[in-house]
Amino acid sequence: AQSVAQPEDQVNVAEGNPLTVKCTYSVSGNPYLFWYVQYPNRGLQFLLKYITGDNLVKGSYGFEAEFNKSQTSFHLKKPSALVSDSALYFCAVRVLRDDKIIFGKGTRLHILP
Amino acid sequence: NAGVTQTPKFQVLKTGQSMTLQCAQDMNHNSMYWYRQDPGMGLRLIYYSASEGTTDKGEVPNGYNVSRLNKREFSLRLESAAPSQTSVYFCASKGTGVLLSGYTFGSGTRLTVV
Repeated sequence: AQSVAQPEDQVNVAEGNPLTVKCTYSVSGNPYLFWYVQYPNRGLQFLLKYITGDNLVKGSYGFEAEFNKSQTSFHLKKPSALVSDSALYFCAVRVLRDDKIIFGKGTRLHILP
Repeated sequence: NAGVTQTPKFQVLKTGQSMTLQCAQDMNHNSMYWYRQDPGMGLRLIYYSASEGTTDKGEVPNGYNVSRLNKREFSLRLESAAPSQTSVYFCASKGTGVLLSGYTFGSGTRLTVV
């Protein structure tokens, strides 16, 4: 069965420090991987995606993610965190033959001033 | 602005009442989805429609029905609301093709069933 795991419910990072939000997946076939961000009382916004090619994907707001096939991971990273990055982050996966996307449970990111 | 529009934004229902959540997209997307979001549970798929005229159950379909009225509109109906259906509901749509493989989300409907 397809699944996505975000092992941390919450991540706290000081402003200016690098941040990592973890995601691992389990699918059969080649995965399409996504990160979405949700600000309070808003819908989800697309950050970045991995389909094929370079394992390091760059997205919106200075975020990037690294696809690691051997570890089945797709961790979200940013070199220097901003207070405005505080939000709820969702990792998601889709298999090419399937029209559905499965979301992780989300990780709440707190950037401390 | 192009995107996914959901109505209403907020709703309070009494147990046993019915209502329909509306969703419309203007991006000519084939696929549309309804999710519910609950604390600690992430987003769970209720129903989806891969194309006009087709609908399929997702992970948590019980207590809900859907209608894909046309390519633009995908509605979610609660026939007899229950407190367990208190949640935030999101509609999403998706285009086809490798470059359009992500979702666009609406801003959500916050539903409380008392």
